[in-house]
Amino acid sequence: QLQLQESGPGLVKPSETLSLTCTVSGGSISSSSYYWGWIRQPPGKGLECIGSIYYSGSTYYNPSLKSRVTISADTSKNQFSLKLSSVTAADTAVYYCARRYSSSWHYNYWGQGTLVTVSS
Amino acid sequence: DIQMTQSPSSVSASVGDRVTITCRASQGISYWLAWYQQKPGKAPKLLIHAASTLQSGVPSRFSGSGSGTEFTLTISSLQPEDFATYYCQQANIFPPTFGQGTKLEMK
Repeated sequence: QLQLQESGPGLVKPSETLSLTCTVSGGSISSSSYYWGWIRQPPGKGLECIGSIYYSGSTYYNPSLKSRVTISADTSKNQFSLKLSSVTAADTAVYYCARRYSSSWHYNYWGQGTLVTVSS
Repeated sequence: DIQMTQSPSSVSASVGDRVTITCRASQGISYWLAWYQQKPGKAPKLLIHAASTLQSGVPSRFSGSGSGTEFTLTISSLQPEDFATYYCQQANIFPPTFGQGTKLEMK
């Protein structure tokens, strides 16, 4: 059974860089069938796609965040990571990692999510 | 970006009721629409993709229809575990975008 687990600091200071890692078990991020992505949800609000990565390193970033986002993959550890720079309070959200088929933009497996709060 | 608008924003219903939620896209997306269910404190769960294809393991009381710009999610006979928030997502053009959500509450 595929499982995704987010990890990283729950508190980040304004102007610093948010860093999260998603560890995948029960499947390989090196599969040619899938992209691995990040989605976030501010408290009490809706969902926003941040971006996704293919095992080869090919990435898609939401244009609204592109200047601040880096998604990378470590196939040897079966992990992929998110870095979001210059964070503000508006970046406070639950961050989910998830998997989608390379041929579609919907996500069929999700991690449980991790809350990241931006505050001094 | 394609804007997705759901209606209603909230709905009250009883166990056994039939409920329909509508999702409209700001431009045509063919049948590239997904529906998710989210319960408090949990990750979204994929229910339907390609507008009407039921995800494996999802009960058959859930169904989806539509194409182009207008889509619907129908729950034929509400069960207690169905009270949750539902989101549509266009899966046609990057970046994928979600509706604002429809909260299904118990009457």
